[in-house]
Amino acid sequence: EDQVTQSPEALRLQEGESSSLNCSYTVSGLRGLFWYRQDPGKGPEFLFTLYSAGEEKEKERLKATLTKKESFLHITAPKPEDSATYLCAPLYNQGGKLIFGQGTELSVKP
Amino acid sequence: DAGVTQSPTHLIKTRGQQVTLRCSPKSGHDTVSWYQQALGQGPQFIFQYYEEEERQRGNFPDRFSGHQFPNYSSELNVNALLLGDSALYLCASSHVGRGETQYFGPGTRLLVL
Repeated sequence: EDQVTQSPEALRLQEGESSSLNCSYTVSGLRGLFWYRQDPGKGPEFLFTLYSAGEEKEKERLKATLTKKESFLHITAPKPEDSATYLCAPLYNQGGKLIFGQGTELSVKP
Repeated sequence: DAGVTQSPTHLIKTRGQQVTLRCSPKSGHDTVSWYQQALGQGPQFIFQYYEEEERQRGNFPDRFSGHQFPNYSSELNVNALLLGDSALYLCASSHVGRGETQYFGPGTRLLVL
């Protein structure tokens, strides 16, 4: 059974304190992996797509990396506006089904 | 460029009733997926529509049905509502052949009493 686990479930950082979020999965036939940001009560906002092991993508203070079994979202010198829930979702091999993890709730205090 | 839109934004129903949620995809997209997100959980895949047909389905009962129209917009119908159907319903659109990145709408918050 395909499983996606994100850790930690919640993360509290001080402004400027860098850290990493983890997404591990046991998805057979991985075609890609997506990272989204979700603010409370809103739809997920697309951040990155990664397609192959070793690939990296960057956007402002965020950098996503991919290995064969996990992905990391690195946050460098975060600001309070980076506070949100971050979701990862491997793309299933057949069709367009996304399997989401439960998310990491990030809180950045000034 | 308009993104994915959903209507209504909020909805309150009672057990046993039926509900229809609507979604308009991002311009240029031809595929619509629906997800259910319970509080504190990640979204769960309900089904996906492409070329007006259900392309893939998740583990949801037949009470959940959908439709895609020739203009690519889509509806999600839920019959015989249960209290457990209370959730945020998300629509995502994508284009087959462009990496299938899915862009989400703002969601419809459904409360079943």
